[in-house]
Order: sequence, then C-alpha cells, then structure tokens
Amino acid sequence: DQQVKQNSPSLSVQEGRISILNCDYTNSMFDYFLWYKKYPAEGPTFLISISSIKDKNEDGRFTVFLNKSAKHLSLHIVPSQPGDSAVYFCAALITGTASKLTFGTGTRLQVTL
Amino acid sequence: EAQVTQNPRYLITVTGKKLTVTCSQNMNHEYMSWYRQDPGLGLRQIYYSMNVEVTDKGDVPEGYKVSRKEKRNFPLILESPSPNQTSLYFCASSRRDVQETQYFGPGTRLLVL
Repeated sequence: DQQVKQNSPSLSVQEGRISILNCDYTNSMFDYFLWYKKYPAEGPTFLISISSIKDKNEDGRFTVFLNKSAKHLSLHIVPSQPGDSAVYFCAALITGTASKLTFGTGTRLQVTL
Repeated sequence: EAQVTQNPRYLITVTGKKLTVTCSQNMNHEYMSWYRQDPGLGLRQIYYSMNVEVTDKGDVPEGYKVSRKEKRNFPLILESPSPNQTSLYFCASSRRDVQETQYFGPGTRLLVL
C-alpha cells in the first residue's frame, strides 16, 4: 500500500518556466513532509521540508505547498534551471515516534533549454 | 567533509553467495538506515538503527540482516542473495532528533544472477 504517491513519473519544463511537482498521501498521521532531490549515481539530498502546521515554506527558488484537507503537497521551482534536472522524491514522516521516512516513487524532472 | 560512504559501489554476485555492503558515517549520527530503490516503487526502508546495538525492521526486511556494533558503521548483510534482491541500495544517517534530514550515501548497485 503506497502511502505516499507521486503520480507523474516524469515532467519536462522549459528553462525559466515554473516546475510543479505533485505528491499525495493517504496517512493522516503524517505531520512532516520533505522533498529530496537525486542526481544519477548519487544519493538523494534533502531539498526542502514543511511541517503540517504550515501551508507554505519557501527557500529561494523552491516553495513547498501543503494542503492538509486534500492530503496533497506540491513543490514549485521558479525559475527552473537545467541544473534542476533530477529525480525528486516526496517523503513523509510522523514526528515524535521512532518513525521512518515514507517515500514516494519519484518524479523525473527534465529542464530543457 | 561530512559524508556517508558505502562499499562496494557496484556488485555482481550469484544466488546464495553471502555478501556484505558496508556503510560508514563520520557525523556522529545516532540514526542510520538502509533503503532499496526499485523502479516504480521509490525508496523503501529495509532496516534502521536508532543507536548502537538497537536495530529494527523497516518495510522490506526479508532476506537482509544488519548489525550496529559501532556508532559509525551499519553494514547490510545478505546471507543468501536471490535475484529479487537486485536493486540500488542506499545507506542514510541523521541525528536522532532530526531524522527528517537524513544524509544519504552514494548508493550500491547490486545484481544477483
């Protein structure tokens, strides 16, 4: 049972435009959400996170939005750059427990020139 | 440099031949974890460790063993590998109180024939 879902396996965006990556979750106990970025032949690296008490968190070109009622979060990248081409994983966590990150299946973003 | 290292990076083996993938971190992190990444399934946790001598199963522990005798090391052992364990494996570590921002190793690609 996939508790964290990324329904778009791939996304292609032109350089300078906005990239929007989506993620849905089913477990209402999740209270912390993260995005990880992964380049080929490397491990995932933490990108940005959001607590369930917020609906938006911004870090430079990256913004994560959380809609708790819809159990949906999205990552916006503005403007997109070729170096953003990577696989993006959404992940969720129940804080305060001996818990684990539950990852989505990933979305491959390609930013074209 | 703060890092998580894994060895080997690539491994081809045959069914039933025991193998160990090593993982080491130099950040004095309490929490360590192993994941496998498979197409369409994202990252799934195999085992995790909250501290020395404390380990627990993740989502897909069957066919794997781990040990945590020292804080910095968390080896993954496949006693009798099978072809369905062909995968990309990642080790990760974090501070116990900040598990969300896990640091990942570069990955080990395993092929079991």
